[in-house]
Amino acid sequence: QSALTQPASVSGSPGQSITISCSGDSSDSSVSWYQQHPGKAPQLIIYKVTNRPSGVSHRFSGSKSGTTASLTISGLQAEDEAHYFCSSYTVRTVIFGGGTKVTV
Amino acid sequence: QVQLQESGPGLVKPSGTLSLNCSVSGVPIVATTWWSWVRQTPGKGLEWLGDIYHTGLTNYNASLRSRITMSTDVSKNQFSLELTSVTAADTAVYYCARGLWDSDTSTYFRYAFQFWGHGTEVAVSS
Repeated sequence: QSALTQPASVSGSPGQSITISCSGDSSDSSVSWYQQHPGKAPQLIIYKVTNRPSGVSHRFSGSKSGTTASLTISGLQAEDEAHYFCSSYTVRTVIFGGGTKVTV
Repeated sequence: QVQLQESGPGLVKPSGTLSLNCSVSGVPIVATTWWSWVRQTPGKGLEWLGDIYHTGLTNYNASLRSRITMSTDVSKNQFSLELTSVTAADTAVYYCARGLWDSDTSTYFRYAFQFWGHGTEVAVSS
């Protein structure tokens, strides 16, 4: 099964911007990103590479170059401290990245 | 607003069968296309198990295909998961989930999971 690779951790100071990469078999436009706080279910923050669901902050943005997708969080806030997962649909299955712990 | 709620035993014996239900409120399951199960373990992270259409059509993760069965109960507005021959590796938090309906483009994104249940912990242990 294909894999999506994310950095284990990324940190930043309040107000800064950070970028999380997701490399692997994400060659189509099905990349999504999720935010997960401890003890909570994941929350969809980006779909179809760049789209934000209603209600998600504009500080979250997605992009893709080749087989690497990226999530950028601008104006980092304390509430952004969480785990972030990418996912993609490929070969009739959904795969997730291993997750990135963001520390503010 | 769509709400999902998982239910089922929190403990299953090795070699037994794990059975979970997902109760849906806010929308009839026949009104939306596909409904998914996802599990999460500390070691393997998030794993998509499969999804089901309200008619009973299924699409399973190939790694589980010999052990997994999903079904729907339209009268109860719920869908279910069964996983047989469980081992400790099946210990996880199990979520039911639904994709996103983009009203701007009238497109259903089946694998962009906008709605999740709270999750239910299942331990496989004797």
